[in-house]
Amino acid sequence: EDQVTQSPEALRLQEGESSSLNCSYTVSGLRGLFWYRQDPGKGPEFLFTLYSAGEEKEKERLKATLTKKESFLHITAPKPEDSATYLCAVYNQGGKLIFGQGTELSVKP
Amino acid sequence: DGGITQSPKYLFRKEGQNVTLSCEQNLNHDAMYWYRQDPGQGLRLIYYSQIVNDFQKGDIAEGYSVSREKKESFPLTVTSAQKNPTAFYLCASSIGLAGFNEQFFGPGTRLTVL
Repeated sequence: EDQVTQSPEALRLQEGESSSLNCSYTVSGLRGLFWYRQDPGKGPEFLFTLYSAGEEKEKERLKATLTKKESFLHITAPKPEDSATYLCAVYNQGGKLIFGQGTELSVKP
Repeated sequence: DGGITQSPKYLFRKEGQNVTLSCEQNLNHDAMYWYRQDPGQGLRLIYYSQIVNDFQKGDIAEGYSVSREKKESFPLTVTSAQKNPTAFYLCASSIGLAGFNEQFFGPGTRLTVL
């Protein structure tokens, strides 16, 4: 069964304390992995697309990486405004986008 | 500015009522989607449409209906047959379904059953 699992469910960091969020997936034939940021009560905001193992994308303090079985979202020296829920999603061969449950990140000053 | 708009932001429904959620996009995207988001669960696909006048059921279509009469619009009706409709509803669009492209989301509608 196609599945996306994100860990941890929640992560509390101090400002400046770098860490990583994990997204592991089991799909037959990866067609793209996507990271989104979602603030409370709002729609997800697109961050990155990764298509092949070894690929990396960066945006400000965020860096996404992809292996054959998982993706990491690295957050370097986070600030309180990075607090949000981060969602991971993958397309399966049938063209359906499958979402993980998200990691809720809280960054305290 | 290009984007996706959803209205209303908040919606309250009485038992037995049908309600319609609006979704409009000016991105010239062919594909549009409706998702439902519940606490502690990933987004679940309700319906999707790849082209005008055509749409397909997603994983949880029971109790919902859609139409796609215009490329820009994809309204969702939550019928009285949907027994647990309280949730956050998200509309999304992408260039096309065939290219496995990123989906862009609207701001969402929170539906509450009174």
